[in-house]
Amino acid sequence: QKEVEQDPGPLSVPEGAIVSLNCTYSNSAFQYFMWYRQYSRKGPELLMYTYSSGNKEDGRFTAQVDKSSKYISLFIRDSQPSDSATYLCAMRLIQGAQKLVFGQGTRLTINP
Amino acid sequence: SQTIHQWPATLVQPVGSPLSLECTVEGTSNPNLYWYRQAAGRGLQLLFYSVGIGQISSEVPQNLSASRPQDRQFILSSKKLLLSDSGFYLCAWSVALRQWRTEAFFGQGTRLTVV
Repeated sequence: QKEVEQDPGPLSVPEGAIVSLNCTYSNSAFQYFMWYRQYSRKGPELLMYTYSSGNKEDGRFTAQVDKSSKYISLFIRDSQPSDSATYLCAMRLIQGAQKLVFGQGTRLTINP
Repeated sequence: SQTIHQWPATLVQPVGSPLSLECTVEGTSNPNLYWYRQAAGRGLQLLFYSVGIGQISSEVPQNLSASRPQDRQFILSSKKLLLSDSGFYLCAWSVALRQWRTEAFFGQGTRLTVV
């Protein structure tokens, strides 16, 4: 079983829709969670980070963490064609190695 | 502000040839440095990370090696490339001192094709 599971998609939705992207993880020691956006042939860019259960909002983006269920989500409101990209979840332990563990990435297309 | 430079952007190399990819970070001191590989349609696989000059940790046994000759320079190398080394290679850095915030910041990547 992989440490982090993410549905690879592809996911295609119309412009303006609410998008839900999800990751599950098996190691309850993960405490710090991130979402990255990666455009084609580019490096990933950090979208959001959080380290507590609950919701964190940043503009049209909301990151949700449920540590009891070992489940994290990224919601995109009023989706735009410019949101079309691959979205990767990542997480790490608070203590120990510095490395991040990534999900496989979900490829998202927003159709005008 | 901090910036990360990674080059070249694309590279086509024959099987058995050597490889050297370079990454440099500006605007920060003593960063943690990382090399990741991303195969098509797959997530990021951590290859190496470094917490200081000359300190390299290898995550996956492979045909590659890494070196950190200077504080903000990280090099990925191979003596003889294999077809399976093809992929998208990403360098990243994170702040070492703030243990509770170690999100990584990525370069633009090198697309390597071994032919």
